[in-house]
Amino acid sequence: SQTIHQWPATLVQPVGSPLSLECTVEGTSNPNLYWYRQAAGRGLQLLFYSVGIGQISSEVPQNLSASRPQDRQFILSSKKLLLSDSGFYLCAWNAGGSGYTFGSGTRLTVV
Amino acid sequence: SQQGEEDPQALSIQEGENATMNCSYKTSINNLQWYRQNSGRGLVHLILIRSNEREKHSGRLRVTLDTSKKSSSLLITASRAADTASYFCATDYNRDQFYFGTGTSLTVIP
Repeated sequence: SQTIHQWPATLVQPVGSPLSLECTVEGTSNPNLYWYRQAAGRGLQLLFYSVGIGQISSEVPQNLSASRPQDRQFILSSKKLLLSDSGFYLCAWNAGGSGYTFGSGTRLTVV
Repeated sequence: SQQGEEDPQALSIQEGENATMNCSYKTSINNLQWYRQNSGRGLVHLILIRSNEREKHSGRLRVTLDTSKKSSSLLITASRAADTASYFCATDYNRDQFYFGTGTSLTVIP
């Protein structure tokens, strides 16, 4: 069965520090992968999506970047975090044209 | 923006009552999905309805889609305290991308 792993669950980082959030998928190949951010009490904002290794599309220009070094691995990064980067980050995958499967999320607090 | 908008933003009902949430969107879609999110957790896919479908059922869930009005509704019948969560609709921008609304926060009072 397909599963998605996202870590860490919570993270507190100082302003200006780097960030690396990792997401891996099991039980499927060539998935579409996504990073979303959810501000407190708000909807989900699509940040990046990838349809294959090395293929990254950015929805919103910002302080973050994404990479897909392997077929089932999707990484969200920042070189220098801002206070406004705080939020709940969700990784998701789908097989194209069907429902998403979401990871359990990472709560990032930038202090 | 393609993003869906849910209505109401918050809903509080007694256990056993039905809960209805609505979603409106702006441009044509291929399909629409509903998701549930428990506090601080990831989203769980509930149901997908395609643009050529008008109604779909899954257990106590009933989803309708009116493409002429660009709207959808999610009905939860005989609600339970465990249904307390936020509910989101998502509409497809293209085959590989979906946009989510801001959600309806449902509270079911035991």
